[in-house]
Formats: sequence, structure tokens, C-alpha cells
Amino acid sequence: NAGVTQTPKFRVLKTGQSMTLLCAQDMNHEYMYWYRQDPGMGLRLIHYSVGEGTTAKGEVPDGYNVSRLKKQNFLLGLESAAPSQTSVYFCASSYSRLAGSTDTQYFGPGTRLTVL
Amino acid sequence: AQTVTQSQPEMSVQEAETVTLSCTYDTSESDYYLFWYKQPPSRQMILVIRQEAYKQQNATENRFSVNFQKAAKSFSLKISDSQLGDAAMYFCASQGAQKLVFGQGTRLTINP
Repeated sequence: NAGVTQTPKFRVLKTGQSMTLLCAQDMNHEYMYWYRQDPGMGLRLIHYSVGEGTTAKGEVPDGYNVSRLKKQNFLLGLESAAPSQTSVYFCASSYSRLAGSTDTQYFGPGTRLTVL
Repeated sequence: AQTVTQSQPEMSVQEAETVTLSCTYDTSESDYYLFWYKQPPSRQMILVIRQEAYKQQNATENRFSVNFQKAAKSFSLKISDSQLGDAAMYFCASQGAQKLVFGQGTRLTINP
């Protein structure tokens, strides 16, 4: 049982390049989330998904796209990277509240992205 | 809208002593949860303790306990018998309808 995993752990991009971050969970969770963490700040929600095939915008969605083609995977895409997207990115997952869960989110180890 | 405020950017405590980290929140939702997460240098976000807002009893997990004051919208974390391994960033978070909102964090240093 690996929990929540993220690929890659580190990445350096040049301005304008594109990339995709992969998040995978093996806990059969319905909900998945992408956050970014900047120095001196807590985590901020970028996008989230309440089930396979669904996505929704969070607090800071601009410049990012997401897809949830399979229940266990949640992809975060940067089409044209900018230096302002230099950050640590965290993926998380949780059960559906409709299942009577306590909504605890379990986090992946993070991806450190630098955009030059 | 939900907001979470941690007014202590840094705290320090002597090993084996007790420390309390403060958190206040604001939410318009009637059904919500509150969390404390720990982030050591490894960056991993680790759940420390969880409180359901409808429960009056304060949550406790071994050396970690909370003081949940619902009317005051306050949710502080008490760490008893502090250990060197407790050194980390601590984030308070509030969860309403699926969305988890974090405070800015408190960096806790343990002095041997």
C-alpha cells in the first residue's frame, strides 16, 4: 500500500516549456486535489476532482490544467511554464463525504518545480 | 469563504516541556472539520490530529491535544513532553465542502 505517490520529485523547466505532474493513489479515494506551497505560505488549492472524469477549479487555477481519466490518477499540466509557477506541488486524496467519511486528506511527498 | 490564521510564525520550546500553537478560523459552513498537519524538513504533510466541529469533546492523540473553542472559532494545538522529532512546520487547516484551507504555518523549534 503506497498511499499517494507523485512523479517526478524534482523538475527544472525553462519559461514556456510544458510538463505534466502525475499523482497516483491506491486507497480507492473518490476525491483528489492539487496544491501549491510557496515560501511563508500554507498550501493553496489549484484544482480538485470529486470523481473520475470530473474536475473543478480551486483558489489558484490560472496557468494549470488537470485531468482525471482514471479514478486512481490525477494529472496536473502546465502548458507554458512561467517563473511564478516555481513552487512545491502537493497532491492529496480523500474519501467521499457522501460515504460518511471524516474527509481526511492524505498527501503525497511533493514535487519541487523550478521555472527559469 | 473559509479563512485560517496562525498568528505565530515561529515558536520554540525546551525538550520535554509543553507548547501551544494558536489557530483561529472563520467559516460560514455549519458542518466542517479542523486539522493540524505537521511538515518536517522532508516536506511530507503528516496528519497530527483531527476535530469534527459537531463534537464538543477535544480531540487527543497521545502527546497531542487540541483546545477547540467553537464560539470563538479557535483551534489551538498543545504538544506535551516535546521531543526533538516534533520540530517541524505546523499547519492548521479547516475543511468545509471538500475544500481544505490552510493557515500560514508555525515553525516549531525544539531546544535540547
